[in-house]
This record gives sequence, structure tokens and C-alpha cells, in this order.
Amino acid sequence: EAQVTQNPRYLITVTGKKLTVTCSQNMNHEYMSWYRQDPGLGLRQIYYSMNVEVTDKGDVPEGYKVSRKEKRNFPLILESPSPNQTSLYFCASSRRSGQGTDEQYFGPGTRLTVT
Amino acid sequence: AQSVTQLGSHVSVSEGALVLLRCNYSSSVPPYLFWYVQYPNQGLQLLLKYTSAATLVKGINGFEAEFKKSETSFHLTKPSAHMSDAAEYFCAVSEGTGGFKTIFGAGTRLFVKA
Repeated sequence: EAQVTQNPRYLITVTGKKLTVTCSQNMNHEYMSWYRQDPGLGLRQIYYSMNVEVTDKGDVPEGYKVSRKEKRNFPLILESPSPNQTSLYFCASSRRSGQGTDEQYFGPGTRLTVT
Repeated sequence: AQSVTQLGSHVSVSEGALVLLRCNYSSSVPPYLFWYVQYPNQGLQLLLKYTSAATLVKGINGFEAEFKKSETSFHLTKPSAHMSDAAEYFCAVSEGTGGFKTIFGAGTRLFVKA
């Protein structure tokens, strides 16, 4: 079954404690992306990756890191989480199109609470 | 840079009534326009997408959207609402012009009354 998986689904942590949210896709997609969803703001892109070892900032990259060492995995790293990073996070993947980003397949989401 | 505006954070319709969810993008024509749906406690899934092949796009679950360049709009419609359509709907555009960002609107929550 074609899917994007994220782990963990729920996470409660404390300020400053480093954490990683994993994302994996089994569709051999070149493009992967991380979003955060906050009420009234829709989805905002954090980082995206066009292929292995190629990443770029989205609209809200501050406080986050990513890496793309393998095509199927795109982990999101919070080196020192803060309460304003409490949010619902989605990973997504898609085929790469020459004209832009094609339709994306989304993971189930990770709800993060930072106290 | 691209931007997306969805008019109305909440829309309420009666079962069987027309559904109209509005989306406007910024002036430059993007290569791709999308509507996604999010059911409670789930990720987003694609409803339909515009790729310049046709201005009227049909999607899943009876939804369709019409691309109107003169109005910079891509409104989503469904002739007859069903209770199962209650969800949050997001309009999104692909940045295009060599960029690979995706810009989402703030979302519209659809309520369907019995």
C-alpha cells in the first residue's frame, strides 16, 4: 500500500529537549516536505527536499532542521523545542514535476506539545 | 510570490444544498492548483487538481472546480451536500516558475446540517 508514515503520532515534551519526528514514504517520490498546521493559518511549509541531499527552506524554517540522506526518509529535527512549536505536523511526498510540485500524499500527522 | 486566499473560514449548508467554497490566488498563473480535504484527525487527501489541461476539473466525491484566469479564482463546488462532506477544505498552489514551494490557504471548515 502506498503511504507516508510518521512517528510518533503524539508527543509531549519539555522546552529544550531535542526531538526527532520521522517520516518515510514507499512511493519512490523525489519530493518530500514538512508542514505545520495551526488554527486559522492553514498549513505552512517548514522545509522541503527535491531529492537526496537537496533541501530548502519553506516559509517557517526557524527552529527546525531536516536531512535527506535516503530517498524514502525525511526526518524533522527540533534541536531545542519551544512552546511556540506546539502544533500539528504533517509530512508529505510527491513526484517531482518540471513545472512545480505535483499533488502531495500526506502522512497522518504528529501532534506535538512543548511545555 | 504566490498567495492563496480562501474566503470564509466556516461555511454551513443544509444537506442537499449547493456547496461553494471560494479560493483566489495571486496574479501570476501557477502551474498547479489543488483542493485538499481533511477529515477529523486525519491527514490531507487530494480532491482535485488543475494542470491547465481543462478549466473545469472534476474530482472525487462529486466535487468540481473551475479555473477562471480573469478572476484569479479556483472555487470548489458540489451540487448536493452530503453529511459525509463535513470536513476542512484547503486550496493550494504550486509556486511554479522554477520554485518548488506549495502555498496553502487558511482553510474552510464545511458544516452540513441535516
